Formats: sequence, structure tokens, C-alpha cells
Amino acid sequence: RKEVEQDPGPFNVPEGATVAFNCTYSNSASQSFFWYRQDCRKEPKLLMSVYSSGNEDGRFTAQLNRASQYISLLIRDSKLSDSATYLCVGKGGAGNKLTFGGGTRVLVKP
Amino acid sequence: NAGVTQTPKFRILKIGQSMTLQCTQDMNHNYMYWYRQDPGMGLKLIYYSVGAGITDKGEVPNGYNVSRSTTEDFPLRLELAAPSQTSVYFCASGYPGGNQPQHFGDGTRLSIL
Repeated sequence: RKEVEQDPGPFNVPEGATVAFNCTYSNSASQSFFWYRQDCRKEPKLLMSVYSSGNEDGRFTAQLNRASQYISLLIRDSKLSDSATYLCVGKGGAGNKLTFGGGTRVLVKP
Repeated sequence: NAGVTQTPKFRILKIGQSMTLQCTQDMNHNYMYWYRQDPGMGLKLIYYSVGAGITDKGEVPNGYNVSRSTTEDFPLRLELAAPSQTSVYFCASGYPGGNQPQHFGDGTRLSIL
């Protein structure tokens, strides 16, 4: 079983709609979690950290459920520019390594 | 405001050739990392370093070597290039704190033919 698992998608989302997706993790060494965004053939860029209490950054809401070992990301009022692959990432263990999920692809269409 | 700089951006190698992927960061981060990303897949950790003079293996270290003589630089060496090493390579750096994210370079696209 992969340490961080994600639905690869694609999630086809009408512009203006809300989309949500999860990832699950099995590595107990991961103590911190992030969502990164990756555009085609580009480097991953930090979207937001994920806190147990839930946190928002504009149209993006992230949630961490340690008991069930899943992380969620919700995007409201989707924009065409939100089309990307969203990487769920755990951090922890020796060297504070990042463990990446395979990514969830989101396609926002007019 | 350079951040993490990788060179070259693209390279084509023949099987058996060697090369060094360069990575430098100007944020004074102690921790540096090398990842590879194959098409349609997530990133896999090759090697990492928690400070100058200290390196350790990640998930997929075979066929690679690294060194960390300075805080700023973390080169990745391929000694005998193989087709399985065709990938996009990302270097990253960061602070060790739990909620501190890693910062990534633009990547090096490497093809072994």
C-alpha cells in the first residue's frame, strides 16, 4: 500500500462549481501535511498547509482527520486557472522527508 | 530572489554516460532534497541532506550519488546513465520545522537514449 494515496481523477469541474477530493495516508511518521499544486511539466508549488482544525485560504479549504488518516481539499467557485494536479504531501520522519501522493488531476471547464 | 536554481533545464544523454545535475539555493536552508518524477506519477525521494557534509538515501537512490560540501549546493551525480533514469528531476530545500514547506527548483528534464 502506498504511504499517501490519492484518486488520480481527472475531476471534470464546471467553472464556478465546487470540487472536493481526499487523500489517505498510512505513514504514522508524517506529522505535517500540505497540498501542493503542480502544473503540467512544472515544479510543485505550495498551495497550503493543512491543520487539524481545518483552514481556509481564499477559495480553498483544507482539513486533516488524524483519526481516520485522511486529508481533504475543497475548492469553491472553481476558476479555469485552478486546472492542475493537486499533490497531497506528508512530512515527517528522519530528515523531515516529504512523502507525495500520486496527485489528483482537476480540469475546470467553461 | 533566486530561491532554488537547477541546471541544466534539459539534457539528453547516451546510455553509459555520466553527468551532474546542479542545484543551489540562496535561502540558507539546512535541508536539501532530490526527487525524480516519472510521467503521471508522484515524486520519489532519491537523496537528501540535513546539512553540509551529511547525506542520506531516500526511496530510490540506486544509480545516483550526491555530495553536500556547502550549505548552498547539492549536486546529483549519475555515473552510468540508464534508460530507467529518464525522468524529471526536482531539487528542493527547506527548514526542518514541521510546518515549514519545501521550496522546489524548476526541474531538470533528462532523457537517456
